[in-house]
Parts: sequence; structure tokens; C-alpha cells
Amino acid sequence: QSALTQPRSVSGSPGQSVTISCAGTSSDVGGYNYVSWYQQHPGKAPKLMIYDVTKRPSGVPDRFSGSKSGNTASLTISGLQAEDETDYYCCSYAGRYTWVFGGGTKVTVL
Amino acid sequence: QLQMEESGPGLVKPSETLSLTCTVSGVSISSSSYYWGWIRQPPGKGLEWIGSIYYSGTTYYKPSLKSRVTISVDTSKNQFSLRLSSVTAADTAVYYCARDLGVAASGEYYFEYWGQGALVTVSS
Repeated sequence: QSALTQPRSVSGSPGQSVTISCAGTSSDVGGYNYVSWYQQHPGKAPKLMIYDVTKRPSGVPDRFSGSKSGNTASLTISGLQAEDETDYYCCSYAGRYTWVFGGGTKVTVL
Repeated sequence: QLQMEESGPGLVKPSETLSLTCTVSGVSISSSSYYWGWIRQPPGKGLEWIGSIYYSGTTYYKPSLKSRVTISVDTSKNQFSLRLSSVTAADTAVYYCARDLGVAASGEYYFEYWGQGALVTVSS
């Protein structure tokens, strides 16, 4: 069970779009449509932003969207805003009631 | 509204056992169709799933930690607990409790509710 691979950082100007990738294997990301994404501000608990690859919980802006192709999932933030600058983590179900997280990506708004 | 709160010592000596408890309010652990889990985050690093428990006592652990981890549940207090033995500095982290896998018919494969986190430092 290795951690999912995310870029350490991505950046974009206000109003632009950024995409964060999350690479796994056929045993996790590729094997299940159970990828979730979490936003974490410093000193705070993670907040669920996307679940089941593409679904948004109530209250999450529609600027946030998710997708998956093969063993790689992606989170796209459209219309980037200053408040989006923080850390993001992907997570995938890995079978047998276990989970694996990504290493995290810092989003910087230029 | 479901709330979760971690409690326990913030400092543990190397080779000793780390113990944390998560108190759940707003829902009964024993009447919900969810597993209850522990996740940790070393300072400046990513999240790591440790393990989870169902109210019946069924547990699942991350394979690489399985030999050192015990998760237990006390339904009378609506709490579940983590014990991690033989700790080293590498176990220094913020430990979160979270509502884990939902096993109702539709299934809920995400972590919607989290505690605020408890920093545990391993040091002599």
C-alpha cells in the first residue's frame, strides 16, 4: 500500500484553472470509483471537497470538480480564488476496508 | 450535528504506547452503519490512514502498522480508542479521528466528519 502520487505544488492566477493529479494503481484509484479530495487549511482538519470521483458535497462551490482516467484521478479548480490557496489531498479506497492518501499538493494563487 | 473530539497525552516517550480516545457526539456509534477511523499527519507531511473499527468490534488496520496498532470501541461511552505501541520519533504527528466507511446499502466511501486533531509528540 504505497501513497498516491500528487505534485507537490501547483499555481495559477486568480480566475484561471488549475488541475491536481493523483496517480495510483489498479489496486486503488484504478480499481474503484471511490476517490475523494480534501482541502486542508493550516492547523485545521481536512474538509471533504469531492467524493466518488466526481460528486460535490452540499456547500462546496461548483468551481471544484473531479475526474478519473485509468489509475489517475484529478481535481480541477476553475475560476481560482485567493481563498483556494492551501493544501489538497486525494484519497482512494484500496479494498478490504482500507484507504490510501496522496502526499498532498499546495495550491498557490499568484 | 455529528461532532468528534480527540483526547489523550500530548507527549509520549520512545518505546512506550501512545493512547488516544475519540468521543463522538450527535450520533450513536452503535446505531450507525459506519466504521470509525484514525488518520495521522506528521508535521509538514501528508495524511496516513491508520485503521478503523465498527461498533461490533470488527477492525481493519493499515498493513504496515498492524503489528503495533489496536483500535477498540466503548459503545456505552460513545467512544473509540487508538493504541500504538513501541513508538518512535517517526510516530510524532497530529492524530485525527474521523467517520470512516459507511456500510449501508448505498455505501459511503469518504471521510465527511473529522475531529480537530491532537498533536502527539514522541520524545524523551
